[in-house]
Amino acid sequence: NAGVTQTPKFRVLKTGQSMTLLCAQDMNHEYMYWYRQDPGMGLRLIHYSVGEGTTAKGEVPDGYNVSRLKKQNFLLGLESAAPSQTSVYFCASTKGLAGANEQFFGPGTRLTVL
Amino acid sequence: GESVGLHLPTLSVQEGDNSIINCAYSNSASDYFIWYKQESGKGPQFIIDIRSNMDKRQGQRVTVLLNKTVKHLSLQIAATQPGDSAVYFCAENSGGSNYKLTFGKGTLLTVNP
Repeated sequence: NAGVTQTPKFRVLKTGQSMTLLCAQDMNHEYMYWYRQDPGMGLRLIHYSVGEGTTAKGEVPDGYNVSRLKKQNFLLGLESAAPSQTSVYFCASTKGLAGANEQFFGPGTRLTVL
Repeated sequence: GESVGLHLPTLSVQEGDNSIINCAYSNSASDYFIWYKQESGKGPQFIIDIRSNMDKRQGQRVTVLLNKTVKHLSLQIAATQPGDSAVYFCAENSGGSNYKLTFGKGTLLTVNP
């Protein structure tokens, strides 16, 4: 049981490039989340999904898109990367609602945009 | 407690001492609270949670206290060990939200052997 995994672990992009971050969970969780973590700030929610085929905007969705084609996978896309998107990105999943259940986090993806 | 800015509040303790980490939460309507531990280069790890109908909950070597009157949460770690060194942060379910958690900025705990 691997829990929540993320690929890649590190990535460097040039401004304007695109990329997709992959999150996978093997716990059969319904809910999945993408966060970014920046120095001096708490985790901020980018997008989330309450089930296969559904996504919703979080606190800081601009510049990102997501897809949940399979229950176990949640993809985060950057269409045109900007230096402001340099951050550590964490994926998380919960069995039930985040507002009442433990979130399981992945190990993170460290992204640098030059 | 936690504060605005790039530098995390820090707590330095001796191995074997008890540690108390504090958190002030923002929304009086929040009814679910969680403490996470984050080691360097890793993702946050769940420690313990508490619902607003309780004021204390105990786990293995950890206790969470909730004071709703002053919107304050604390995490107590008994007999702190070097492996407890990490950033600890609290989260609240943003006024009772089902989906959104508001995370604190964290406190860096350093345990000296």
